[in-house]
Amino acid sequence: GAVVSQHPSRVICKSGTSVKIECRSLDFQATTMFWYRQFPKKSLMLMATSNEGSKATYEQGVEKDKFLINHASLTLSTLTVTSAHPEDSSFYICSVSRGTGDFSWGYTFGSGTRLTVV
Amino acid sequence: AQTVTQSQPEMSVQEAETVTLSCTYDTSESDYYLFWYKQPPSRQMILVIRQEAYKQQNATENRFSVNFQKAAKSFSLKISDSQLGDAAMYFCAYRSAAAPGDMRFGAGTRLTVKP
Repeated sequence: GAVVSQHPSRVICKSGTSVKIECRSLDFQATTMFWYRQFPKKSLMLMATSNEGSKATYEQGVEKDKFLINHASLTLSTLTVTSAHPEDSSFYICSVSRGTGDFSWGYTFGSGTRLTVV
Repeated sequence: AQTVTQSQPEMSVQEAETVTLSCTYDTSESDYYLFWYKQPPSRQMILVIRQEAYKQQNATENRFSVNFQKAAKSFSLKISDSQLGDAAMYFCAYRSAAAPGDMRFGAGTRLTVKP
């Protein structure tokens, strides 16, 4: 199946700064990647769908100017948390859909990024 | 919109015993896919098992099997011969065939395995 690398695994930043999280599909060309946020002991919440070569599609309630997504190539999507605040502290996970046309497969997930804003 | 419900926030099982995790979902669609994911303490999401809605036969992967009841919109996961490594959060997920980019997750069930 697809192999997805997410970096960094942990990051601590100061309030007001920006943080970039990378998601790479190592063995599969992904036209679409997904970004999730997971609060402690909670489920995954879809934030946005990252589309290669076009604008990301954001879920309702997610600020697109705060969470900038860039999908510049078929193997890389980045999520930038701009002007981070403590309430942005969370676990962020990217995922790739393995098949185009074969959606019976689930997603392959990155290992996640723990963001702490101090 | 589709919703996925896991009514058991926590479950516990004795090592080598069998445990069943519950999941129900709400949808008006007839074509969709269901999944169980495992999230161990490492937080890495791991696909455990999947089921296509058009298949009547329940999926099985080694010690993991599902009981898929389409009419009842139920999709439970049975873990046989539980092992210590099975301890994790388990998420049930729904994926529409019409909107495959949208995967919905349940709230999760934390499984503890007692030695």
